[in-house]
Amino acid sequence: DTGVSQNPRHKITKRGQNVTFRCDPISEHNRLYWYRQTLGQGPEFLTYFQNEAQLEKSRLLSDRFSAERPKGSFSTLEIQRTEQGDSAMYLCASSLQGTGNTIYFGEGSWLTVV
Amino acid sequence: AQSVAQPEDQVNVAEGNPLTVKCTYSVSGNPYLFWYVQYPNRGLQFLLKYITGDNLVKGSYGFEAEFNKSQTSFHLKKPSALVSDSALYFCAVRDGSNYQLIWGAGTKLIIKP
Repeated sequence: DTGVSQNPRHKITKRGQNVTFRCDPISEHNRLYWYRQTLGQGPEFLTYFQNEAQLEKSRLLSDRFSAERPKGSFSTLEIQRTEQGDSAMYLCASSLQGTGNTIYFGEGSWLTVV
Repeated sequence: AQSVAQPEDQVNVAEGNPLTVKCTYSVSGNPYLFWYVQYPNRGLQFLLKYITGDNLVKGSYGFEAEFNKSQTSFHLKKPSALVSDSALYFCAVRDGSNYQLIWGAGTKLIIKP
């Protein structure tokens, strides 16, 4: 399968702990996105990379959130000092550059903070 | 400002009947329109998109959508619904100057046997 791959698929963590999610995009895609989705809602944009450069971060992304894409391939999203409000599905997506190009999503990583 | 409206929270259709999921949009430039489907506890799957050309776009699983510029709509349709089409459907739009997708709130489609 050559789609967007995310892991872990599920993570349960205690409040205050740090968590990290990994995303492997479709191999030739130079754009990579992170979204957050809560139950029954649409995706909320968090951040976006073009190659290794992080070009935009949403105001939703507090200082506890950090994302990297060190070599322009895979990406990690780290949440420090997790809070119960961080419980959500974190979606990674990738695309080729160009506004008409399709954004393809991974299966998501569910985070539950207890 | 860019926006997408999906006016129906839920659509109920009997299996075998045609279905329509509505989407209207507002963008400042030429719209790039997308439909995605989401099954429970899964990511979003791309169904189809309109970039330019023929107003009727065909996509995956027998779905199609019609771009109507005058009504600023991009309704998703299928001639004969299957129970397996039951899912959450999202419409999204971007204009030519923006990489970001603007998302509708989603429509839950329920197909009854």
